[in-house]
Amino acid sequence: AQTVTQSQPEMSVQEAETVTLSCTYDTSESDYYLFWYKQPPSRQMILVIRQEAYKQQNATENRFSVNFQKAAKSFSLKISDSQLGDAAMYFCAYRRVEYGNKLVFGAGTILRVKS
Amino acid sequence: DTGVSQDPRHKITKRGQNVTFRCDPISEHNRLYWYRQTLGQGPEFLTYFQNEAQLEKSRLLSDRFSAERPKGSFSTLEIQRTEQGDSAMYLCASSLVKASYEQYFGPGTRLTVT
Repeated sequence: AQTVTQSQPEMSVQEAETVTLSCTYDTSESDYYLFWYKQPPSRQMILVIRQEAYKQQNATENRFSVNFQKAAKSFSLKISDSQLGDAAMYFCAYRRVEYGNKLVFGAGTILRVKS
Repeated sequence: DTGVSQDPRHKITKRGQNVTFRCDPISEHNRLYWYRQTLGQGPEFLTYFQNEAQLEKSRLLSDRFSAERPKGSFSTLEIQRTEQGDSAMYLCASSLVKASYEQYFGPGTRLTVT
């Protein structure tokens, strides 16, 4: 079974600084998707960024980028120029390419942004 | 707002009672997922539908849980004879098969069993 591990229960960053959230996963599949989702307090979970395992290039979405290391099964999220609105719970998630597309989530990392 | 709605947002019930939650997905989405999220944990998959067919159920979904998606539109999740361990946030998500890599989540229903 696939598993996703987020080893940082909580992280803090100063506004305008950069922070990196860690994620490792375990799978025997060669093709899959990886995601970072953001869950603000009392608000809906939204997709931050997606990475296809067959792509060597790391995904980037504005201030958010990933460091995807397939051999090491590592998928970290870098947030640049942190803003107060980035404060949330961040979940790393894995999905197989087929077979229902259910997401397997890590336990999450709480990100606090200090002004 | 992602376009996925859930009702109610909060439910408090006594142990042993039955509860039912509703999820309205984005209208053109043919896949609908249910997840359960306990405090301090990530969501765990419960079940999913493609149109009206329930295609997969997690072992987490005990016999007390049942889900339906009549006519492939909204979905309901019913829990019979609730237990304190059922207290959690129940999340619904929907997606298109074609672009199924992105799931859009609803705000969740928080269930408290006393």
